[in-house]
Order: sequence, then C-alpha cells, then structure tokens
Amino acid sequence: DAGITQSPRHKVTETGTPVTLRCHQTENHRYMYWYRQDPGHGLRLIHYSYGVKDTDKGEVSDGYSVSRSKTEDFLLTLESATSSQTSVYFCAISVVGVGSPLHFGNGTRLTVT
Amino acid sequence: AQSVTQPDIHITVSEGASLELRCNYSYGATPYLFWYVQSPGQGLQLLLKYFSGDTLVQGIKGFEAEFKRSQSSFNLRKPSVHWSDAAEYFCAVGTANTGNQFYFGTGTSLTVIP
Repeated sequence: DAGITQSPRHKVTETGTPVTLRCHQTENHRYMYWYRQDPGHGLRLIHYSYGVKDTDKGEVSDGYSVSRSKTEDFLLTLESATSSQTSVYFCAISVVGVGSPLHFGNGTRLTVT
Repeated sequence: AQSVTQPDIHITVSEGASLELRCNYSYGATPYLFWYVQSPGQGLQLLLKYFSGDTLVQGIKGFEAEFKRSQSSFNLRKPSVHWSDAAEYFCAVGTANTGNQFYFGTGTSLTVIP
C-alpha cells in the first residue's frame, strides 16, 4: 500500500462549474501524477509533478490545471468542466524516481452533466 | 515518440488454460517496462517490471513476462489461468526523461470461462 488517497471517490457536477480533485500521499514521494482513464484510450497523462511547485503538462492537459504546495498533496482542477471531461481520474506516485513503477490510488469517477 | 500497443482488446480463455497477452512498445532508448492489472472499480496494481538484466521476469500471482528487444515486445504469460485473473491488463513503458513519464497501452480485457 503506497498510502495514496483520492477524494472525492465520486462526483457529479454540471457543465461550466469548477471542480478540484485531491490526491494525498503519506510517504513523501517526489513524483506525483494525474491520469484519466477512458474506454479505448487506456490511461493518459494529464499533469505530473516532480517536486513542490514543480509541475509539467502531460499529453491531455488542456482544460486542466494542477497545484502542489506541499509534498503530500497534488490537486487537479477543472477550471470549467465539460462533458468531455467525464472520466475516471487516477492519481499515481513514483516511489524512487527514474525507472521506478507507478503506484496508483483508487480513482475518482467524475461525471459532468 | 514513445508508444505502447496492445493489439488484443479482449481475450477469452478457459480456466486452466495458458495465457499470453501481447505488448509492443516504441522507445528510442532502453525501456523500463511494466504490466499492471485492474479489477473492476479498482486502481491499477503492479504485476511485474523489467529494468535490465534477465529478460524473463517473474511477477505476482504466477505471471511472468519476457522482454525481447529485437521484437520490441514485452508479452505477459501465465501457464494456467484462474477465474480470479479476469480483469483488465495494461502494459506500460517508463522513460528516463524529466518527470519519469509513463506511457500506457489501451489495455486488454481478459474473460475467464469455467
């Protein structure tokens, strides 16, 4: 157990509203990631972080922003949710760094109506 | 650009039969390769990983995978499938560039019939 908690686990929101998803880790690991999972697409990287205040974009970053003000928390914000952002969102951490595997949280199911 | 291909979207096997899930990758340097399993409603669990050395790696739950550089493949195998192995399986490649990025295949869904 890599000590990753995602909140909320489920959320339904309306188009145009802002939404923030939280990922919390208890192990002080440097690397944290946000992925979305959609049928037929596997997992796609949204944003990642390699330290406090150090973040970068992944392949599907449009419409998303992130913040990491503390080592343990990595927040994903949908500034103005759209139906295309209905998905399952996974947070992951990398234990050591380069070459180390990802460890995943249990996901947040987001529905945008 | 890095990419991972899992050619089989869905596979059905009988319980007790052998299993092979295919994975091909595209990456310019030595890859770090992983297989993950996902049960419905759950996160992804690491099955096994390859960094270097022995090209046949053993994982949890009786799974193994073989790295073949010449074929850019990292196929997952199990000699005898159990009903509890029914799940979604993802192959992933990790890179050594900034941020330790990972690229995932689109997954293979495994159904096990009694």
